[in-house]
Amino acid sequence: EVQLVESGGGLVQPGRSMKLSCAASGFTFSNYGMAWVRQAPTKGLEWVATISYDGSSTYYRDSVKGRFTISRDNAKSTLYLQMNSLRSEDTATYYCTRARTGAYWYFDFWGPGTMVTVSS
Amino acid sequence: DIQMTQSPASLSASLGETVTIECRASEDIYSNLAWYQQKPGNSPQLLIYDANSLADGVPSRFSGSGSGTQYSLKINSLQSEDVASYFCQQYNNYPDTFGAGTKLELK
Repeated sequence: EVQLVESGGGLVQPGRSMKLSCAASGFTFSNYGMAWVRQAPTKGLEWVATISYDGSSTYYRDSVKGRFTISRDNAKSTLYLQMNSLRSEDTATYYCTRARTGAYWYFDFWGPGTMVTVSS
Repeated sequence: DIQMTQSPASLSASLGETVTIECRASEDIYSNLAWYQQKPGNSPQLLIYDANSLADGVPSRFSGSGSGTQYSLKINSLQSEDVASYFCQQYNNYPDTFGAGTKLELK
């Protein structure tokens, strides 16, 4: 059974940093691209970043480029999202997802999410 | 960015009814479209990909169709467990974009 479990969320002040982790199990992690998708409170879904199966390629939405870094450790089956210079508009539930390739990506498995609140 | 316009924003239907949710893209997305179901308090789950392919484990009462800029999700014989929000997503162009969602309730 595919399982994705996020951790590392919480309350953080604007301008500070936070690192999210996602532990994956139930599939061969190193064979799949992975992504982070977020959802602000009572809002819709927003793709954040994707990393290729081997970590050689990364992709970001414009609003997080230069501030967020997606990475992975295939030996540990773990995905990461380093978030720097956080803003109030980054407040959201962050979902770890397994990414499947079409032209770009759709997401066939999702974790339960971890909440990030950026506030002073 | 490609804009995904979903309709209706909310919908109330009776058990056993057939429900259709529409999604319109601001340009041709060549069937690179997925549908997700999000039950209250839960994370989204993939229902449909490539506009009309059913994801593993999804009941056959769900179906997707469409092409070009117009797509739809149909739920036959509505069940109580189908109460949820539904989102479309295009993955033809960078960045992936989602519709605003349709909230489905029971009448």
